[in-house]
Amino acid sequence: GAGVSQSPRYKVAKRGQDVALRCDPISGHVSLFWYQQALGQGPEFLTYFQNEAQLDKSGLPSDRFFAERPEGSVSTLKIQRTQQEDSAVYLCASSLSGQPTNYGYTFGSGTRLTVV
Amino acid sequence: KNEVEQSPQNLTAQEGEFITINCSYSVGISALHWLQQHPGGGIVSLFMLSSGKKKHGRLIATINIQEKHSSLHITASHPRDSAVYICAALQGTSGSRLTFGEGTQLTVNP
Repeated sequence: GAGVSQSPRYKVAKRGQDVALRCDPISGHVSLFWYQQALGQGPEFLTYFQNEAQLDKSGLPSDRFFAERPEGSVSTLKIQRTQQEDSAVYLCASSLSGQPTNYGYTFGSGTRLTVV
Repeated sequence: KNEVEQSPQNLTAQEGEFITINCSYSVGISALHWLQQHPGGGIVSLFMLSSGKKKHGRLIATINIQEKHSSLHITASHPRDSAVYICAALQGTSGSRLTFGEGTQLTVNP
């Protein structure tokens, strides 16, 4: 597609429910990133894929968070047993290269998750 | 202390004013991004720079690697420039992770 597409745009989940957030990066983009942005804060790194390999997951806040990119294109961020503190905008970004220094990033519009 | 700090946090200007947003970072970087975020969450990459200065329309970004400081300037500001402006540092020589500042909320009044 022309840009990075995220779905759903908005998700309301009851506490304890599992959610799955999807990111469809620009076709051919090697690198894919997930960020979490709490209200009024800058985004915080969650995890990074290069093709299908998850090279860095050090930002995932707990073992309730899981991300995958099985075929090196679409990625899913799954949150199990959601808690209120998980409420945030989840941003996906992709880059053409494994070296984003050269090509920069394209961001999706994010998924706003509200846990009630 | 955050690794990437921006100032000011909030900025209100009148249409036509020259605007400067500052970013200081304490980590080693390979590049620095300036991003624009409108209500609703979408982020647009404005600049990525690793040295010197870049200009695009009314926007100018500068970076001083020695001083670990970058600035974003907007000339002849307009109400449509109202948004959150975020600087983000791309860390390391083979950096992949962005570390974000907390953003500057800019409001330009007509």
